Amino acid sequence: NSKVIQTPRYLVKGQGQKAKMRCIPEKGHPVVFWYQQNKNNEFKFLINFQNQEVLQQIDMTEKRFSAECPSNSPCSLEIQSSEAGDSALYLCASSLSGGAFEQYFGPGTRLTVL
Amino acid sequence: SQLAEENSWALSVHEGESVTVNCSYKTSITALQWYRQKSGKGPAQLILIRSNEREKRNGRLRATLDTSSQSSSLSITATRCEDTAVYFCATDTNAYKVIFGKGTHLHVLP
Repeated sequence: NSKVIQTPRYLVKGQGQKAKMRCIPEKGHPVVFWYQQNKNNEFKFLINFQNQEVLQQIDMTEKRFSAECPSNSPCSLEIQSSEAGDSALYLCASSLSGGAFEQYFGPGTRLTVL
Repeated sequence: SQLAEENSWALSVHEGESVTVNCSYKTSITALQWYRQKSGKGPAQLILIRSNEREKRNGRLRATLDTSSQSSSLSITATRCEDTAVYFCATDTNAYKVIFGKGTHLHVLP
């Protein structure tokens, strides 16, 4: 069973507001992934880290999305100015290594932008 | 375009029956993973099958991989109501990125 912790479970924001969500990966997992899952269950890869360094990220439109994984602190994903289209389930996963290894997912943060 | 894709949007079976979910992918892979996501939860891995393997089992689950046709299947025998979930296949496109298919909704009816 996954021990990835995500907070908060639910987040409601108005358009233009900041939205911040956090993730504590499984102990000993150096690789962390963020995905956005829409209402049609489609996954969109956002960014991944190994330790504190960004490995890959999508072209985060207008730089509204930012993420970090500081040492000894939870990882975070922040949307600077929320839009209705950002409403989705944001999933954090951690792994021992890269894509050919199991990813352990948290329960997600459900963001609703009104 | 999707690099990994399940071939059915939804399947329904009765408890005790067997069911197979199929997946096709478009790139060369190191491994293919099957995940299950239950309502309100994050995905959980069921089976990881590497490109040099043809079949892998995990209890009532059996995954196959055919790299020549770029396809995989996940079979569940003796289904239970708790198997109701969305099933995803996922492929690695490079060392650190995994692409998920759109998922197949499986409903196991009493």
